Amino acid sequence: GAVVSQHPSWVICKSGTSVKIECRSLDFQATTMFWYRQFPKQSLMLMATSNEGSKATYEQGVEKDKFLINHASLTLSTLTVTSAHPEDSSFYICSARDWRGSSYEQYFGPGTRLTVT
Amino acid sequence: KNQVEQSPQSLIILEGKNCTLQCNYTVSPFSNLRWYKQDTGRGPVSLTIMTFSENTKSNGRYTATLDADTKQSSLHITASQLSDSASYICVVISETGANNLFFGTGTRLTVIP
Repeated sequence: GAVVSQHPSWVICKSGTSVKIECRSLDFQATTMFWYRQFPKQSLMLMATSNEGSKATYEQGVEKDKFLINHASLTLSTLTVTSAHPEDSSFYICSARDWRGSSYEQYFGPGTRLTVT
Repeated sequence: KNQVEQSPQSLIILEGKNCTLQCNYTVSPFSNLRWYKQDTGRGPVSLTIMTFSENTKSNGRYTATLDADTKQSSLHITASQLSDSASYICVVISETGANNLFFGTGTRLTVIP
């Protein structure tokens, strides 16, 4: 089956630094990828929709200048957390749609655990 | 308002026992409903996809049901195993909108020996 990978799987960074997370669709092309954030014991919260070749669409309350998204190719989207703060510590999950005709399967990456000290 | 509610919030069962997780939704217009299993520290993995016309679908020891009239779904796990310990998330897909996935808060299942 289709696979979505994320790198790194976990990262620790100091407050004020920036961190880049990569999301790749391994055996299908994804014109649309999604970035989610998940806090402990809570469900996934959509942060933004990443569109290949165009600007990302951010959900209300998500700072686009803080969470930079780039979808440079049909198999790669990146999320950069700029000037990270401890409250940005969370589990970040990307997702990609594999269209098959008029329907699609949505696959999720394994997630990236970000800890800001 | 499009919402997905799951119950129970958490559940502890003995290995080998069966259990049923519930999902109620108000999402409209409805396209399909999916159950995902999420192990701790991992991304969600799809278990089943239920369309409007499907009432029951099985995937191994997992059986999902859907009642589109009452907007309810259940996930039944048979002969539970320790590896079934995870969060189970109900996701309802709407027909409209690019951001059309609505997530339940999940049921945390713990299977004990």
